[in-house]
Amino acid sequence: GENVEQHPSTLSVQEGDSAVIKCTYSDSASNYFPWYKQELGKRPQLIIDIRSNVGEKKDQRIAVTLNKTAKHFSLHITETQPEDSAVYFCAALTGNQFYFGTGTSLTVIP
Amino acid sequence: NAGVTQTPKFQVLKTGQSMTLQCAQDMNHEYMSWYRQDPGMGLRLIHYSVGAGITDQGEVPNGYNVSRSTTEDFPLRLLSAAPSQTSVYFCASQKTRQNPGVEGYTFGSGTRLTVV
Repeated sequence: GENVEQHPSTLSVQEGDSAVIKCTYSDSASNYFPWYKQELGKRPQLIIDIRSNVGEKKDQRIAVTLNKTAKHFSLHITETQPEDSAVYFCAALTGNQFYFGTGTSLTVIP
Repeated sequence: NAGVTQTPKFQVLKTGQSMTLQCAQDMNHEYMSWYRQDPGMGLRLIHYSVGAGITDQGEVPNGYNVSRSTTEDFPLRLLSAAPSQTSVYFCASQKTRQNPGVEGYTFGSGTRLTVV
């Protein structure tokens, strides 16, 4: 089955700096890659996604890039704010199943 | 729309007890699934369903049963609870497998289960 690896597991940045989280996947048949944000004690919520026929997608301060050849995709958060502090999960859709990364705990230091 | 409604929010079970975690959605989503979330392991798929009457196993199905008699409901049953099943459980749904929809995957609020 699919194997999704996510790095780093923890990330601390100063407010206003950028944060980058990277994921790799193993199955070339994966065709949809969402990113979720989970605040402490709450449910994961979709923040951005990208399909395999697109290389980059941007939504205000958040962007996702996809390199199908290398089988990796990344989340970029610019001008980070304290409210960006949370755990972020990447995922890949293969067949009928979503496979999630193990999460990145992002801390934005004011 | 209430979205995805998951109950209960908290539950403590004794080893060997059985229980059902409820999940309901009112968005007419075809695709529903159950995940467990453990520290350092992300979200792991237990079971999923692509439509009423159809279920299939995910990564970690052992010890769990599901059924999908209606589009709206997708209960998860623990037949004989074990301490290894202590976890946070999330139900999630989306429009279809092929088309996640604008909202993508919608998660319930989670159930924190402790088996003692």
